[in-house]
Amino acid sequence: KQEVTQIPAALSVPEGENLVLNCSFTDSAIYNLQWFRQDPGKGLTSLLLIQSSQREQTSGRLNASLDKSSGRSTLYIAASQPGDSATYLCAVIRTSYDKVIFGPGTSLSVIP
Amino acid sequence: GAVVSQHPSWVICKSGTSVKIECRSLDFQATTMFWYRQFPKQSLMLMATSNEGSKATYEQGVEKDKFLINHASLTLSTLTVTSAHPEDSSFYICSARGTISYEQYFGPGTRLTVT
Repeated sequence: KQEVTQIPAALSVPEGENLVLNCSFTDSAIYNLQWFRQDPGKGLTSLLLIQSSQREQTSGRLNASLDKSSGRSTLYIAASQPGDSATYLCAVIRTSYDKVIFGPGTSLSVIP
Repeated sequence: GAVVSQHPSWVICKSGTSVKIECRSLDFQATTMFWYRQFPKQSLMLMATSNEGSKATYEQGVEKDKFLINHASLTLSTLTVTSAHPEDSSFYICSARGTISYEQYFGPGTRLTVT
């Protein structure tokens, strides 16, 4: 059974700092891995999707890496801003027809 | 493209009543839609998977007679919470899977409060 964990559960950093969020999954047989952002009381915003054959994806200040063999992914946020404050969710899907399994999330607070 | 909408965005109902939540894929056809529930400060948990024209498949522990799911067309799935109770208060999010890329696209969520 696939389980997804995220470390840390919460993180508070000063503005401008670079930071790394970690995601681990127990079954390396995944189709893709996706990082989402969720603002309080809101839905999900897809940030980056990494196919199983890829090692990383980049979008602006965000960079996500994937190491299937070790069951790990990291989300790197460069030059953090107060607007980055949100909960970040990691999710994996086993096959193209399967459900998405979410991690518990990392709550990020960027202090001005 | 690939927009999923939910209606309503929030709803308050009295205990014992039923409430229906709609999930629509606006610009693509979705043979499969998923319904998730999120309690405060917790992650999303899958409730059920619905395939167009078929009965929904429910996750363990989810009461199928309480959470009725209908996926009557390729662009619409509905979740009806029957005889709602305060413990059903939650954030409900749907996702729709396209028939081409198979990527799942998430709706904005519906906040249900049962008083």
